[in-house]
Amino acid sequence: DVKVTQSSRYLVKRTGEKVFLECVQDMDHENMFWYRQDPGLGLRLIYFSYDVKMKEKGDIPEGYSVSREKKERFSLILESASTNQTSMYLCASSTGGLAGENEQFFGPGTRLTVL
Amino acid sequence: GESVGLHLPTLSVQEGDNSIINCAYSNSASDYFIWYKQESGKGPQFIIDIRSNMDKRQGQRVTVLLNKTVKHLSLQIAATQPGDSAVYFCAENVGTGGSYIPTFGRGTSLIVHP
Repeated sequence: DVKVTQSSRYLVKRTGEKVFLECVQDMDHENMFWYRQDPGLGLRLIYFSYDVKMKEKGDIPEGYSVSREKKERFSLILESASTNQTSMYLCASSTGGLAGENEQFFGPGTRLTVL
Repeated sequence: GESVGLHLPTLSVQEGDNSIINCAYSNSASDYFIWYKQESGKGPQFIIDIRSNMDKRQGQRVTVLLNKTVKHLSLQIAATQPGDSAVYFCAENVGTGGSYIPTFGRGTSLIVHP
């Protein structure tokens, strides 16, 4: 059974703290993604990565950074957490290329609360 | 302060009815489309996909219709069951750098009454 796992289901942090969200996939996928999901706003792309050590900004990268040192692992970093970063964070992975089924596989999400 | 989210479009149906969920996409260059289902407390899961060279694709109890002229996508669920209750997202994809990067719609909440 293929899986995308996220390090925490629930996380509570204080304003100004540095926060690490970890994501691991076991499908040898090239692409990995971080989204945040807020009520009524759908999924908004923060960052994605095509390959190890590669990263691209999504639609809302401000306040976030990412790291991809290994193919299976993609980390989202909040350098200094703020209350407006309280949200559900979803990690996803997909195969590279434009042929075949290219759907994303999602992790269960991390609900982050910043106090 | 606390942000106020937008209300999700909601579709309420009776068990056994057919459901149709609609999605308008924005990019005429999009050539690959996916429907996802998100149950409460879980990440989205793939339901069905369709490429722009097709206008209809069928799966088990689900059918996706694509109208490129008006940039419209729909998901039809036959004989809807309580387990179909979830939020449904459409995603349009444009090939970028040899991979697909999706743009998601806001989602539609499907509520199935027994």
